Amino acid sequence: DTGVSQDPRHKITKRGQNVTFRCDPISEHNRLYWYRQTLGQGPEFLTYFQNEAQLEKSRLLSDRFSAERPKGSFSTLEIQRTEQGDSAMYLCASSPPGHSNQPQHFGDGTRLSIL
Amino acid sequence: KNEVEQSPQNLTAQEGEFITINCSYSVGISALHWLQQHPGGGIVSLFMLSSGKKKHGRLIATINIQEKHSSLHITASHPRDSAVYICAVRSNTDKLIFGTGTRLQVFP
Repeated sequence: DTGVSQDPRHKITKRGQNVTFRCDPISEHNRLYWYRQTLGQGPEFLTYFQNEAQLEKSRLLSDRFSAERPKGSFSTLEIQRTEQGDSAMYLCASSPPGHSNQPQHFGDGTRLSIL
Repeated sequence: KNEVEQSPQNLTAQEGEFITINCSYSVGISALHWLQQHPGGGIVSLFMLSSGKKKHGRLIATINIQEKHSSLHITASHPRDSAVYICAVRSNTDKLIFGTGTRLQVFP
């Protein structure tokens, strides 16, 4: 069990650029979640996958955001035409089958800073 | 009003003190989590509970489903307990809804 891995840990980019983050869940975890956390706030739900299917998306996920999990393993979160308000910590979590009684395991997050 | 409310927002304590952090929620849940977040962002799950009480070392978590309230207690607090403690409820669709966190600082 190597834990949930996120890459990169930090990303600094200019407004208007596209960015992509990657999350590798714990192997055999079929559920994968993306959350966003702004400074001083608790995380907010963005979206989650069961295997390769995206089952729920928050209204926070504007059309500039897209998430994929093509093979049901790693996932990517892309933000197009980044804006200042996108600056946040993006957290990924995964949980195993039998999810209703299993905790979610979190990665260390990707901190995005928009200049 | 947030669906998950925590109190206090900030808490300072002297080493050795007994600490209580409270969480109230207003939605239907399948479970409640207590999480610990250190500077740098990493989140560690401390407890997941749906009824009663759980204990792990110096940490105790309780939940009252009827009152929609949970507490996290830390006995004999230590400076290494300094972190942000976050309450999160697991909705019926399995996503987590988070409180804003309680920032705890324990001084020697």
